[in-house]
Order: sequence, then C-alpha cells, then structure tokens
Amino acid sequence: DTEVTQTPKHLVMGMTNKKSLKCEQHMGHRAMYWYKQKAKKPPELMFVYSYEKLSINESVPSRFSPECPNSSLLNLHLHALQPEDSALYLCASSQVVGPRGAEAFFGQGTRLTVV
Amino acid sequence: AQTVTQSQPEMSVQEAETVTLSCTYDTSENNYYLFWYKQPPSRQMILVIRQEAYKQQNATENRFSVNFQKAAKSFSLKISDSQLGDTAMYFCAFMKALNNDMRFGAGTRLTVKP
Repeated sequence: DTEVTQTPKHLVMGMTNKKSLKCEQHMGHRAMYWYKQKAKKPPELMFVYSYEKLSINESVPSRFSPECPNSSLLNLHLHALQPEDSALYLCASSQVVGPRGAEAFFGQGTRLTVV
Repeated sequence: AQTVTQSQPEMSVQEAETVTLSCTYDTSENNYYLFWYKQPPSRQMILVIRQEAYKQQNATENRFSVNFQKAAKSFSLKISDSQLGDTAMYFCAFMKALNNDMRFGAGTRLTVKP
C-alpha cells in the first residue's frame, strides 16, 4: 500500500467556519507534511511532523493548526480563513531522512475554496 | 536556506523524441537528496526519480535519467522516447539530509505532441 489518502477532496468554507483536512497513510512512514499549492505554482512547505512531533513550521498563520494524533494520521485544522487561503492542500509522507533518503508520497490533495 | 531554480517555464517535445529539463540548486549542505516529481492535470504528485548527493552515479528509471553535477549544483532530467502520458508539470525538489525539509522549484510544464 503506497497510498496517502486525503479527505475531503473538495471543500468550500466561509470565513467564519471551522473545518479540518485529514490525511492518512499506512506505509509506516514517520514523517508527514502539509504543503499549500496555488494554481500554476509549486507546492509551498507549511509543516513537517517527524515522529509525531512538529519539526518544521514555516511561519504559517495561526488560523492553520496542524495536528498529528498518531503515526498514521495528520490533520490540518482551519479557522477564520481568508479568501487568499484558497488553494490545493497537499499531504505527503516519507521515512524520516536517513541513509536511504526519504522520497515523499503525496495524496491527491484537498481543493479548498474560502468564500 | 536552499533554493531550487528551474529556468524553463514551458517546454514541448514530439512523441518518441528526447527532452531535457534543467534544474539548479543552491545550498551549503553536503548531504542532501534530489528528486524529480511529475504532476499531471489530475494533480497527483508522482515521484519520477531520486538521487542521493553522496552517489556519483547518475540515477536512471526506465526512460528517465538524470545528469547530476554536484560541483555545479545541477540536476537535469532526461526523458527518452517521450510519450503522450508524460505531459505534465515537472518539479525539481531538494531535501536536506538533516531533516525532512523538502523544497520545490517553480516547475516546467512539458507538453508531448503527437
């Protein structure tokens, strides 16, 4: 199983809503990532969890709150978003970097629209 | 912080021909990993090929191969016998060996023409 599953695939939310994006993998990976991708742009790193601990936070606004409840799950809690936060949110997982490297496997993403 | 540069926003190639996509990077790290990812319109990011910086031998995966020049900080992707299904955005990515910090270049949109 080399799949990273993201739900939902599409999400429309108002600026006052609270919603969560979910990501799940069963490859035994201990590193999980959130990326934000705007149209025709590369993915931008938001957060990295390593062994269920937040290891990288790219100065993301606090309206985005990540959570890694266990080694298979990664959530991104959303609150009071702005229209400019509309984007494709990609989750990825990999081995924690070691001698064999750590290529990341990506989910299909959640297309988020903030209205 | 490391930066990844892809200087070709768009490229096209005839089916069955060969095309090379360029990537350069800037880092002070000695140990790192490099990747090429493909993102078709379906938006799924798919790993094409990977290269460990400590390996001198260039990686190959079927029709895909890289030219890794560590001193020049260059990592180009060659696609041989191009197929229509190769049409996609191609992103070059850099990952530090110390952590899982992975960054992408701006991408090259490749179109394979019949």
